[in-house]
Parts: sequence; structure tokens; C-alpha cells
Amino acid sequence: AQSVSQHNHHVILSEAASLELGCNYSYGGTVNLFWYVQYPGQHLQLLLKYFSGDPLVKGIKGFEAEFIKSKFSFNLRKPSVQWSDTAEYFCAVIPGYSSASKIIFGSGTRLSIRP
Amino acid sequence: EAGVTQFPSHSVIEKGQTVTLRCDPISGHDNLYWYRRVMGKEIKFLLHFVKESKQDESGMPNNRFLAERTGGTYSTLKVQPAELEDSGVYFCASSQARPGSGSPLHFGNGTRLTVT
Repeated sequence: AQSVSQHNHHVILSEAASLELGCNYSYGGTVNLFWYVQYPGQHLQLLLKYFSGDPLVKGIKGFEAEFIKSKFSFNLRKPSVQWSDTAEYFCAVIPGYSSASKIIFGSGTRLSIRP
Repeated sequence: EAGVTQFPSHSVIEKGQTVTLRCDPISGHDNLYWYRRVMGKEIKFLLHFVKESKQDESGMPNNRFLAERTGGTYSTLKVQPAELEDSGVYFCASSQARPGSGSPLHFGNGTRLTVT
């Protein structure tokens, strides 16, 4: 079955530290890739997405992710985190072509930033 | 525009009781999804409506779960009878077109269901 693996369940960083959250998926064909974020008390919202083209995708709030097809990975990065980045981050994939509708999510990574 | 709204935000029921969750999607969004997250695990797909039709219900755990979307507007998800393992956060999401086409998915805040 298709799945998404997020390696870190909880990451704790100090402000200004660099961030990289790992994400791997198990599907060999065409994929659409996403990172969603859920800030405390808020709904899930889209951080960035990859459909095609440049494998380095830039999202909101200074986040970026790189699609490496050979590694089935879509890691999320931010060069310098802020306290306001404290949230839970979910990697997600749609396997298949544009007619697909089911987004498959990972188990999430909780990010805590020390002020 | 108003976002996706879910009601109630929290529900605590006893095993064997019935609970109905409601989702109001963004107006004009034909696609409506239900997802569930159990105890810090992955967010799992339950089903997908296009207007009032069930497009994909492959994620529904068993026949104790019944989802409806009469008239293609709001949707309800009924759990009857509830079991302990049904506890979790139930998310609803909506989109104009399917996410695979690039249409963003808008999520509600979720309903936290606790079965005791």
C-alpha cells in the first residue's frame, strides 16, 4: 500500500537554527507532493506543493522543499526558524495522475521552537 | 470567504452510543473529504464526495460509519454504535476541483471524538 514516512515525531530547536524535516513516500509512479502545517488551535493549511518542474519548491514563511525522485523524498527545510514556526507538519502525497483525489498523509512531525 | 466549519469541536460519548459529526464546506466546493487522525498517527482518508455522490469510500473503517451529503452541501458522518477505537480527530476538507489537478484543499478545525 502507498505510504508516507516522516522520520521525526518531535523536533526541538532553538530560534535561528536550521530545520530539515524528512519525508519519504512509497510510490514509484508520478506523484504530487505537499507539506501541510497545523499551528496550535488552527486548521491544517498548505505550506507548499510540488506538481512538476523545478524540484526545489518554495512555500510560505520561508519554507522550501526538495523533491528527489531517486530517493522518493520530499524533505522540508528552513534556514532559520522562528518561535512562530512551532506547529505540527505533515507531508502528503497524491499518487497517480491528476484524476486522483486521495491525499495520503504521513504521521506528522511536531516542531517545538525554544525562544 | 467563510472557511470549512465542523461541528461539534469536541464530543465525548460512551461506547455503544451514536454520534453525528457535521461539516459545512466552502460554498461552491463540489469536493468534500473526511479524514481521521487517531492518537498521533497519520491522517487517514475516509471518503470523498463529489456533490452528493460518494466518489471513493475506500477508507471507511466498517459499516458502523455512515457518511451522507444530501443536496451536495453539508455532510454528516455518523458513527453507530461507537467503539473505543473510534476516538480521534475527524477532519473535513473541501476543494473546488480534485487536489490532483492543483486545486487546494481547505480543512476545517476538526472534531475531537472521545469514546469512553
